[in-house]
Parts: sequence; structure tokens; C-alpha cells
Amino acid sequence: AAGVIQSPRHLIKEKRETATLKCYPIPRHDTVYWYQQGPGQDPQFLISFYEKMQSDKGSIPDRFSAQQFSDYHSELNMSSLELGDSALYFCASSLGLNTGELFFGEGSRLTVL
Amino acid sequence: RKEVEQDPGPFNVPEGATVAFNCTYSNSASQSFFWYRQDCRKEPKLLMSVYSSGNEDGRFTAQLNRASQYISLLIRDSKLSDSATYLCVVIPPGTGGFKTIFGAGTRLFVKA
Repeated sequence: AAGVIQSPRHLIKEKRETATLKCYPIPRHDTVYWYQQGPGQDPQFLISFYEKMQSDKGSIPDRFSAQQFSDYHSELNMSSLELGDSALYFCASSLGLNTGELFFGEGSRLTVL
Repeated sequence: RKEVEQDPGPFNVPEGATVAFNCTYSNSASQSFFWYRQDCRKEPKLLMSVYSSGNEDGRFTAQLNRASQYISLLIRDSKLSDSATYLCVVIPPGTGGFKTIFGAGTRLFVKA
């Protein structure tokens, strides 16, 4: 079965550069979530989209932005990268509202040097 | 107080042991609860939902105690492959289910 696809899997950037992560949800899933997980940390919710509209916002820095496109894929844009942005970024998708049944992608590992 | 708190780990148990984790939540009106499993450097994967009446899936049993505001996960006859971090997930009310809150996770090591 098709899963959540994230790209790139690994990304190395310098401080103050920008990065874009992409997420392709499971077909027919209409909700996408972004999480950031630092080493030894639990996943921190960043932002979510339902039917191409932002549905909720967590601890996402102002330097980050995201959107969900008409084909339901989502992109997380990160600018003015800082060392502390180095983390594993997970995208998850779900079908419909009020569900905690999230299906995660394998993550994009961002390293900021 | 954090919205979701889990037993501190790590838990080191021998194969065949029974181990239990608890997870407390602060919002008494929370409705939905889940356990996820995360292997090292991998994505979290849904292990099981937690129903009000409790539920069992093979060697795994999940229970909800609303009065004390905690959920539990019991693993019987532990296998080496059960070694992972177990994350509890709570969805507080009024957020449309979009702000899924993860606990910090409990690490389990099962030894031969």
C-alpha cells in the first residue's frame, strides 16, 4: 500500500540558507501534519492542513511557512536556517477529522552547519 | 504541568517479562488516545487506539482510566523486537483533532 512520501530524505544546509521539504500524503488523505523531532526529543507539532487550508498551528517559528496544494501534497519552507533547526522533520497524513490515526513518512533529516 | 506525561525510561526487561507503561494527561475532557511505537531513527507508527472499555491486541493491552486521567500499555511475554520507544498520544477537545499531542516517550529495552 502507498505510504506517506517525504523528500528529500537527507538535507545539509548552511546557516542562513533556506530549505524546502516536501510531503506526499497517502492517496485520499486530506489532512497533513508536520512535526519536528530533535535528538532524544518527542515529535513537536508544527502545523497542519485540512483540505488545503491551514487548520492548526503549533510551535512553528516565524521563519518557517507551509502550504498544502491542490493535489494535497504539502511543502514546508524554512528560511534563515539556524543550527537549532537541525532535526528530523516528519510529515503525517490522515483521513478526515478528529482522528489520531496518523500515518507518518520516514522523515527528512535536516542538518544545518 | 505538561499536557501529556509518560513514565520515565528506560525500562530494561528480560525476554518473556511483562511490562507496563503509564501516560497521564492534563485535559480531563480529552477524548481520543493512542499508543505509537517508534524505532530508533524511524517514524512513529500507530500501535493501537485506546478505547474507554480497554482493548487488547495479541500481547498488547491498552487501558484508559478517566478518573485518574491516565492511559496504560501492558506488554506480555516481551520479545526482543519489542525494544523501541513507546509514545502516548492524546487529542485534546476543541481542536478538531488536528493538534495531536505526543508524550515524550518511554524507551523499552528487551534483553535476551
